[in-house]
Amino acid sequence: GAGVSQSPSNKVTEKGKDVELRCDPISGHTALYWYRQSLGQGLEFLIYFQGNSAPDKSGLPSDRFSAERTGGSVSTLTIQRTQQEDSAVYLCASSLSPGSSYEQYFGPGTRLTVT
Amino acid sequence: DQQVKQNSPSLSVQEGRISILNCDYTNSMFDYFLWYKKYPAEGPTFLISISSIKDKNEDGRFTVFLNKSAKHLSLHIVPSQPGDSAVYFCAASVGGSEKLVFGKGTKLTVNP
Repeated sequence: GAGVSQSPSNKVTEKGKDVELRCDPISGHTALYWYRQSLGQGLEFLIYFQGNSAPDKSGLPSDRFSAERTGGSVSTLTIQRTQQEDSAVYLCASSLSPGSSYEQYFGPGTRLTVT
Repeated sequence: DQQVKQNSPSLSVQEGRISILNCDYTNSMFDYFLWYKKYPAEGPTFLISISSIKDKNEDGRFTVFLNKSAKHLSLHIVPSQPGDSAVYFCAASVGGSEKLVFGKGTKLTVNP
């Protein structure tokens, strides 16, 4: 079956522009997660969705970052007025159900470069 | 403040020998630990996990050991194979939280 897909795979944008990153989770997975990995760093948790609601947004770095999920499926991460420090690989993961015992399956990521 | 630390950025071993990847954590509330493997241009894939009620979990060539008193876990791969060459991430979570806290990763190279 299809895994987690993300688009675009690469995005280059100018500082100050808005970007949207898309995640298509595995069909039937109710939990969806966004992480980012900056150069030389580990994965940093951003936000978690259960269905269409986001019980934990604690990792969003600033109010320029927002995310939504519709139909319990596709999720979009939006970064407004991008800054150079936003350059990173943004990873999406989904799991069958919330809970640490359920494996999170990751997509290949979107590499964002802010010039 | 890094709660999960992988102090070795890289490790090189010969094919057939044992690879030992180490991870230390500072948050005593962590009760579930995972290892992920990542190839270039791909997302991380789950490898093995361990709950804090155990001190060892084994899956084929992969074994994870947990030492709660030392706040230390390690991943043993034996025998190591060239296909194991990847970046390995240690991650931890607190019960009831969906958030995984990751280390910075260790790049393993297995030489034929």
